[in-house]
Amino acid sequence: EVQLEESGGGLVQPGGSLRLSCAASGVTSGTYVLSWVRQAPGKGLQWVAGISGSGYSTYYEDSVKGRFTVSRDNSKNMLYLQVNGLRDEDTAVYYCAKSSGDQRSTWYLDDWGRGTLVTVSS
Amino acid sequence: DIQMTQSPSTLSASVGDRVTITCRASQSIGLWLAWYQQRPGKAPKLLMFETSNLESGVPSRFSGAGSGTEFTLTISSLQPDDFATYYCQQYNYFPFSFGGGTKVEIK
Repeated sequence: EVQLEESGGGLVQPGGSLRLSCAASGVTSGTYVLSWVRQAPGKGLQWVAGISGSGYSTYYEDSVKGRFTVSRDNSKNMLYLQVNGLRDEDTAVYYCAKSSGDQRSTWYLDDWGRGTLVTVSS
Repeated sequence: DIQMTQSPSTLSASVGDRVTITCRASQSIGLWLAWYQQRPGKAPKLLMFETSNLESGVPSRFSGAGSGTEFTLTISSLQPDDFATYYCQQYNYFPFSFGGGTKVEIK
């Protein structure tokens, strides 16, 4: 059974930084795209960032480019999101989500973690 | 970037009703569309991928159709477990993008 568990969320002041982590188990690392998806309170889902199975290719939603950095450590089966320059509008539950594979036909998100809450407030 | 538009944003229906949710993409995404169900306080759950392929364990009352820029999710006979919010998502191009969601409420 695949399990994804996020950690690292919390309360941070505007302009601050956090590092979110996602531990994956029950799946062979390096064979699938991993994504971060966030959901602001009472709002819909927003895809934020993704990384290829090898970690060589990274992708971002426009509003986080230059502020967020996604990375993975396949030796530890871990996904990370470094979030800098946090703004009020970054307040959300951040989900780690796994694609079925590393090819376009398998990019849909078939497993999700339970999320970690990031609150940006002074 | 591709914009995804869902309609309606809210749908009121009764148990046993047939309901259809529409999702439109701002440019062609072929068949690379997924649907997710989210219950309050829970993570989203994959229902369907590649427009019309049911994820393992998802009841057959769910079906998907479409191609290019217009897609639908249909629930043939709404069950109590189905009252939730549904999202479409394109995965043809990065950045991926979700529709705004359709909340299915009890009438």
